[in-house]
Amino acid sequence: EPEVTQTPSHQVTQMGQEVILRCVPISNHLYFYWYRQILGQKVEFLVSFYNNEISEKSEIFDDQFSVERPDGSNFTLKIRSTKLEDSAMYFCASLSLETSGRGKDTQYFGPGTRLTVL
Amino acid sequence: LAKTTQPISMDSYEGQEVNITCSHNNIATNDYITWYQQFPSQGPRFIIQGYKTKVTNEVASLFIPADRKSSTLSLPRVSLSDTAVYYCLVAFNQAGTALIFGKGTTLSVSS
Repeated sequence: EPEVTQTPSHQVTQMGQEVILRCVPISNHLYFYWYRQILGQKVEFLVSFYNNEISEKSEIFDDQFSVERPDGSNFTLKIRSTKLEDSAMYFCASLSLETSGRGKDTQYFGPGTRLTVL
Repeated sequence: LAKTTQPISMDSYEGQEVNITCSHNNIATNDYITWYQQFPSQGPRFIIQGYKTKVTNEVASLFIPADRKSSTLSLPRVSLSDTAVYYCLVAFNQAGTALIFGKGTTLSVSS
């Protein structure tokens, strides 16, 4: 079964540093997402990406965050100046959306990157 | 956005059938109902999805009444490895693609 992969599995950084989290979505998928989950809390949507541009973003996704699909396979999340409260699991997901009915298709999640900001 | 309500936690023993009910009173006509499972420190994993009546796959069954205001995830003969958080999702943001997670139901299976 095809999988979404993410690297690194764990990233430790100092406050104020830039980090880039990497994802390889499933190859024929067209929609890409980033979610985060602070320890003990629910999974929160950050941003969705389609046709090489952001299609939707949440209030969490402020100017410190950016996403990019630099080539045909990778999808990255950059945090420009990390804060302590950015410590969380970050999940990438991808989707191949059919046109009929919202939610008809499945979002496949990667294993996540645990980001620890010191 | 359709809001979902499900129990915070449930306990079960190995070999039992577990039913987790989710209410979604303001589900939209075109919304599907999807259940995800999440183990600690892992990404959510799709379990099952349905629109109405009953759907069954190798992992679970999903029962949806005619009014679609609720749904029940049924896990047959659970094992210790089914201990996880289970999310019922029908809510989508205005773009129609993002998943909006609630707090889910933490299922604990004991021997």
